[in-house]
Amino acid sequence: NAGVTQTPKFQVLKTGQSMTLQCAQDMNHEYMSWYRQDPGMGLRLIHYSVGAGITDQGEVPNGYNVSRSTTEDFPLRLLSAAPSQTSVYFCASRPMGQKNSPLHFGNGTRLTVT
Amino acid sequence: AQSVTQPDIHITVSEGASLELRCNYSYGATPYLFWYVQSPGQGLQLLLKYFSGDTLVQGIKGFEAEFKRSQSSFNLRKPSVHWSDAAEYFCAVGGSGNTPLVFGKGTRLSVIA
Repeated sequence: NAGVTQTPKFQVLKTGQSMTLQCAQDMNHEYMSWYRQDPGMGLRLIHYSVGAGITDQGEVPNGYNVSRSTTEDFPLRLLSAAPSQTSVYFCASRPMGQKNSPLHFGNGTRLTVT
Repeated sequence: AQSVTQPDIHITVSEGASLELRCNYSYGATPYLFWYVQSPGQGLQLLLKYFSGDTLVQGIKGFEAEFKRSQSSFNLRKPSVHWSDAAEYFCAVGGSGNTPLVFGKGTRLSVIA
């Protein structure tokens, strides 16, 4: 199994550009989430989803949109990138049927906004 | 609201020395606690987890952690550190069902010869 796959690994954007960070998992996990990691800030939750068609905001949702049309995919959209969104983004998933299963993480997308 | 505090931003230990990384949490109900490790440029890997039962849990790579409800702590330990343990370590707390996981800000571990 591939696990959680994030693309691209690296991306440079100019301020105001838009882009979508892709996340796919092949483990049939209901729960998927996006975190951003900044130095000294740990991981902060952006958005999460407990199943297809259901999304909810995390701690730092502003400037980001998500949708969940399938169980496998959970893309993160930046509609108008800002330098403050320069960060490393991690997608993570877990099954919900298994009680308290840990999160499985992708390898991250390093985004730079100039 | 749930929260996690890792008091130590950076710790340096000698190879072969013992290690303890501190984690304190705030959670209104029974917490589910995790330790993750992140090597440079990598994603996060689960070291160990605590849900219930024995308060001393064993994880991978020789790590263990002890849950102390009275102190709201879940400290990570290793009796003898190896150079390959140099990484960043994150403590996280969550609950049951849909509750998202909340992470601490991490502790960076450096290992010197």
